Order: sequence, then C-alpha cells, then structure tokens
Amino acid sequence: DSGVTQTPKHLITATGQRVTLRCSPRSGDLSVYWYQQSLDQGLQFLIQYYNGEERAKGNILERFSAQQFPDLHSELNLSSLELGDSALYFCASSVAPDWKQFFGPGTRLTVL
Amino acid sequence: DAKTTQPTSMDCAEGRAANLPCNHSTISGNEYVYWYRQIHSQGPQYIIHGLKNNETNEMASLIITEDRKSSTLILPHATLRDTAVYYCIVRPWAHSGGGADGLTFGKGTHLIIQP
Repeated sequence: DSGVTQTPKHLITATGQRVTLRCSPRSGDLSVYWYQQSLDQGLQFLIQYYNGEERAKGNILERFSAQQFPDLHSELNLSSLELGDSALYFCASSVAPDWKQFFGPGTRLTVL
Repeated sequence: DAKTTQPTSMDCAEGRAANLPCNHSTISGNEYVYWYRQIHSQGPQYIIHGLKNNETNEMASLIITEDRKSSTLILPHATLRDTAVYYCIVRPWAHSGGGADGLTFGKGTHLIIQP
C-alpha cells in the first residue's frame, strides 16, 4: 500500500461524457502527478501540481484538466470523452528531498 | 531527459539473482538513474535510485558503471512476486521547490520469474 488513494476504481461511461477522477496523496506530500496508461501509448505523464499550483504539463489533451485543492487532494477532469481515452489513470505523489513518486492503484476508465 | 535502452524481456529462475541492464549513454552530470516496476496493471512502484555510487536498499541493488553510461538493477533472490515490468528512468535531480517533473517511462523490461 503506497498511501495514495484513487477513486473510483472502475468507471464505465459513454462517448461525449465527462468524468472526474479523484486522488488523495500520501500525508504530507505536496506534489501530485497524473499519468495515463493505454495499451498503445504506454505510461504517459499528463500533469503535475505542487501545493495547489500547476507546475508541469506533459501530454495532456485540452479536453482534460486537473486541479489540486487546499487539502492537497487532486481531481482530473476528462470531458468530451472518446473511445481512445479508455485507459488506466494513475495518480502519484511525492515530497522532498528525493521526490521519489508513490503511485496509487489507478482508475480504469472504459469509454463505450 | 536522457534516453534509456532496456531489453524487452528477461527470464530468471526463482531464488536466483535477477540482473536487469539499462543503457543510458547520453546521461548528463546532474541526472540520476531511477528504477520503478509495475506488477500487472498495478501502480508503478519505486525501487531505487542513484547518481554514481552503487546503492542498496531492502528491495534491490543498483550498480552504475564508472562512466555512468549504463547501470544494472539486481534483485538478489528473485521470487515469483518479482514478475513485473521494470523501468529504468533518467532524470535531473530536483533542487527547486515543487519537485521534479513527471517521469518519462519507456517500454521497460518484462521480467518473468520461472518456478
């Protein structure tokens, strides 16, 4: 158990819909990262937040957005969903000094 | 970040040492070598990291060559639960506030431990 929690575990929805994935980092971790893992693209970094502020962006689509709240939990919002958005979405958190990342169990999103 | 090259897959007998190589010939002076693994669709798990000295923790050992162009992750007594995809990642150390950027995962090495 990494200490990072993600909800829901599974999500099934239809194309065109919008969903929100939630992540609670380890206690005390200020940085939260979101990753997408699909069969054809592998594990890809999407976005990072640090203490409520966006810090780094990876391969995140414009239809996707995220935020980190004052209690440090984070949400990833996916809108106008397409079949290709079906994937595992992982959240990770980290803290100084070595910033090693601890990953949650993931949310499996299926878009039908 | 420097690119890494790993074998696609490897086999190892249970109870033996598993040695996973990684080539990172373009690594620069401020970049560290990190290893993570992912056990079938679970979240990736941090294993170990190092700069230039060999490192050991309760999970594994990391041997980095003197020129830092390659490294080897060693699982000393592999068990069936070590079957996973192992990722070697090179990234700069995060000195500034906010931590380091997201990890860049390659395809990794699928390590299969045989009973």
